[in-house]
Amino acid sequence: GIQVEQSPPDLILQEGANSTLRCNFSDSVNNLQWFHQNPWGQLINLFYIPSGTKQNGRLSATTVATERYSLLYISSSQTTDSGVYFCAAYNNDMRFGAGTRLTVKP
Amino acid sequence: DSGVTQTPKHLITATGQRVTLRCSPRSGDLSVYWYQQSLDQGLQFLIQYYNGEERAKGNILERFSAQQFPDLHSELNLSSLELGDSALYFCASSSMTAGNTIYFGEGSWLTVV
Repeated sequence: GIQVEQSPPDLILQEGANSTLRCNFSDSVNNLQWFHQNPWGQLINLFYIPSGTKQNGRLSATTVATERYSLLYISSSQTTDSGVYFCAAYNNDMRFGAGTRLTVKP
Repeated sequence: DSGVTQTPKHLITATGQRVTLRCSPRSGDLSVYWYQQSLDQGLQFLIQYYNGEERAKGNILERFSAQQFPDLHSELNLSSLELGDSALYFCASSSMTAGNTIYFGEGSWLTVV
């Protein structure tokens, strides 16, 4: 099956800083999503982005399907951005990476 | 609100018991997925159904089973529960059409004591 690797595993930022999270996947996929799991356990859709670039406020994502990676950019981070960010790359069954745990300090 | 509804939200039960988790997908979504997330662990794919038929199987134990009913809701049955089965169980749904975004419910917290 498809292997999904995320980096870095942990990231600590000061409020206001920018960050880039990376997701590598082992095979061609038709679908890729980024999620944020908040401290209460909820999984929030951020982007559905099998290719190209999308932006939503302070967050943006880019997927280069031919090179099998995706990047999630967080700008001007806020404490509410803390949590775990998951990438999922899939054709049929969705396989998740291990996540990046982000801590934003005030 | 993702539109995916899971019940119960919290459940505490004893070892050896059996529980059923229920999921109602988003309106119009034919595909349902189940995931398990143990404490500080990633999301483990258990099983996927599409329009009532099993479509993909992941790391689902033999003690666990699932089904999707004609009205498209799904149930995950966990039996002979062990302490290690304590986890957050997520259901997700998608339409399986172009732009196959998958939406997650809020999860069912299962504690086995």
